[in-house]
Amino acid sequence: DAMVIQNPRYQVTQFGKPVTLSCSQTLNHNVMYWYQQKSSQAPKLLFHYYDKDFNNEADTPDNFQSRRPNTSFCFLDIRSPGLGDAAMYLCATSREGLAAYEQYFGPGTRLTVT
Amino acid sequence: GDSVTQMEGPVTLSEEAFLTINCTYTATGYPSLFWYVQYPGEGLQLLLKATKADDKGSNKGFEATYRKETTSFHLEKGSVQVSDSAVYFCALSVQAAGNKLTFGGGTRVLVKP
Repeated sequence: DAMVIQNPRYQVTQFGKPVTLSCSQTLNHNVMYWYQQKSSQAPKLLFHYYDKDFNNEADTPDNFQSRRPNTSFCFLDIRSPGLGDAAMYLCATSREGLAAYEQYFGPGTRLTVT
Repeated sequence: GDSVTQMEGPVTLSEEAFLTINCTYTATGYPSLFWYVQYPGEGLQLLLKATKADDKGSNKGFEATYRKETTSFHLEKGSVQVSDSAVYFCALSVQAAGNKLTFGGGTRVLVKP
């Protein structure tokens, strides 16, 4: 089945130690998104790639970076995690031309910062 | 700007009760409307959608009708089960905004046996 995959599902990192979360998709969608979600609040969009074009949200801290080496993969890098960065990180995909512009979400990576 | 407002939870129900979660929106363009569901420890799953006025989205016994005149997209289910316990998010998307989703704050639903 076509899907959005996130690895790992759970990640523990130390304060200030760089960490990378990964997302892959078999849907061949051209748009990929990264969200941060805390305590079942609404997901907060960090940035998205429209094809190779990177689009950062205005209030996303510089501590968060992203890479998209090809259509299928996208990475979220947190350069110096703080305790406030502990959250669920969700990857989602979408495709230009979808009638309802819906997004398809992965299962998420829960990040713990110690 | 675009925004979505949904009723705050938690909503606690007994099994087989009727569920309604209210959702209203404001949008600068002509939005598509969605309900997403999030089960504990999981990502968001698309529950249903509607793309134009008077469309009814339905899935797994849930329904919602796109009401342009009242800018609403209320979620309903006639008989809930314990397995429906989750957080429900109403959302909209406008093509001009690059397919970005605008979410409501989420409503936690707890169904007791």
